[in-house]
Amino acid sequence: QKEVEQDPGPLSVPEGAIVSLNCTYSNSAFQYFMWYRQYSRKGPELLMYTYSSGNKEDGRFTAQVDKSSKYISLFIRDSQPSDSATYLCAMSVGFQKLVFGTGTRLLVSP
Amino acid sequence: GAVVSQHPSWVICKSGTSVKIECRSLDFQATTMFWYRQFPKQSLMLMATSNEGSKATYEQGVEKDKFLINHASLTLSTLTVTSAHPEDSSFYICSANGDITSSGNTIYFGEGSWLTVV
Repeated sequence: QKEVEQDPGPLSVPEGAIVSLNCTYSNSAFQYFMWYRQYSRKGPELLMYTYSSGNKEDGRFTAQVDKSSKYISLFIRDSQPSDSATYLCAMSVGFQKLVFGTGTRLLVSP
Repeated sequence: GAVVSQHPSWVICKSGTSVKIECRSLDFQATTMFWYRQFPKQSLMLMATSNEGSKATYEQGVEKDKFLINHASLTLSTLTVTSAHPEDSSFYICSANGDITSSGNTIYFGEGSWLTVV
């Protein structure tokens, strides 16, 4: 079993839709949870960072962490074609070595 | 904001030669940098942790004699792929930890380096 599981997609939605991206994990020691966006042939860009459980909102993006279920989510409201990218969840124990999910490819059509 | 710069962005080399990739933190000091590789349509896999002034820590299955890492200063880490072979062709990405107490970006990634070995 992988430490971090993420559906590779692709996930296709129309412009304006609410997007839900999710990851599950097995290591209960993870404390730091991140979501990265990666465009083709580019390095990952940090979108959201959450410590422990709870919600965090930043503009159209909301990150949720449920440590009891070992489940994290990223919601994108009012999705735009420019949001089309691969979204990677990542987590770590001590904010050092990150363990990544496989990434979910999101396609937002105009 | 803080930026991590990687160079070169693209490199093509002949099989059997060595190639060096640089990772620089531009406006902050990074005592620790990380090197990842990413194959097409796959996630990032940590190769090694680069520590300033000491030997790198390699992940299981990564050949330390093949992937030489040097972290000679607080702003520069280099990855040298020695005796490169076509199977080493991949996307190599470095990251560096910024100020853990600041909000927002705290782990910064470089733009990545595409290596093609022919």
